Amino acid sequence: AQSVTQLGSHVSVSEGALVLLRCNYSSSVPPYLFWYVQYPNQGLQLLLKYTSAATLVKGINGFEAEFKKSETSFHLTKPSAHMSDAAEYFCAVSFDNNDMRFGAGTRLTVKP
Amino acid sequence: GAVVSQHPSRVICKSGTSVKIECRSLDFQATTMFWYRQFPKKSLMLMATSNEGSKATYEQGVEKDKFLINHASLTLSTLTVTSAHPEDSSFYICSADRQGVYEQYFGPGTRLTVT
Repeated sequence: AQSVTQLGSHVSVSEGALVLLRCNYSSSVPPYLFWYVQYPNQGLQLLLKYTSAATLVKGINGFEAEFKKSETSFHLTKPSAHMSDAAEYFCAVSFDNNDMRFGAGTRLTVKP
Repeated sequence: GAVVSQHPSRVICKSGTSVKIECRSLDFQATTMFWYRQFPKKSLMLMATSNEGSKATYEQGVEKDKFLINHASLTLSTLTVTSAHPEDSSFYICSADRQGVYEQYFGPGTRLTVT
């Protein structure tokens, strides 16, 4: 069965610093991987997705993630954090679109 | 494109009553819709998967008689919380998929509070 593990329930960075949110997956077959962002009392917004094309995936708002099969990882990064990046981030894995599993989430805090 | 709406966005109801939440795909036809529940500061828990014209598939531990799902058309799925209790208070989020696109499109969520 596929699953994702997000290391660190809470990450705090200073404005302008590198953002690194970790996600490791477990899947017996090549996965589809996603990063979503959620602002308070709102639904999920897709940041980026990996669907077996390029291993380095660029998303919205300056985020990107690299699929590393050898490490079973799909970490999310952004070179320079902005105050508006403060939110909850979810990594998700799907084998086919009918079974998406979410990580526990990582709350990102950005300090001025 | 690929917009999913939910109605209502917030609802407060009394214990013992039933509440219906609608999920609509506004600009595409959704072959499958999903219902998630999210507790405060927690991740999303898949409750059920619904396909148009057929019975929903519920995840283990989700009471199908309590959480009634109807998917009458390719653009509308409804979740009815029957005989609601305070422990049903939660944030309910729906999503829809689109044939040929490996992505789920999420609605904005519905905050249910049962008093």
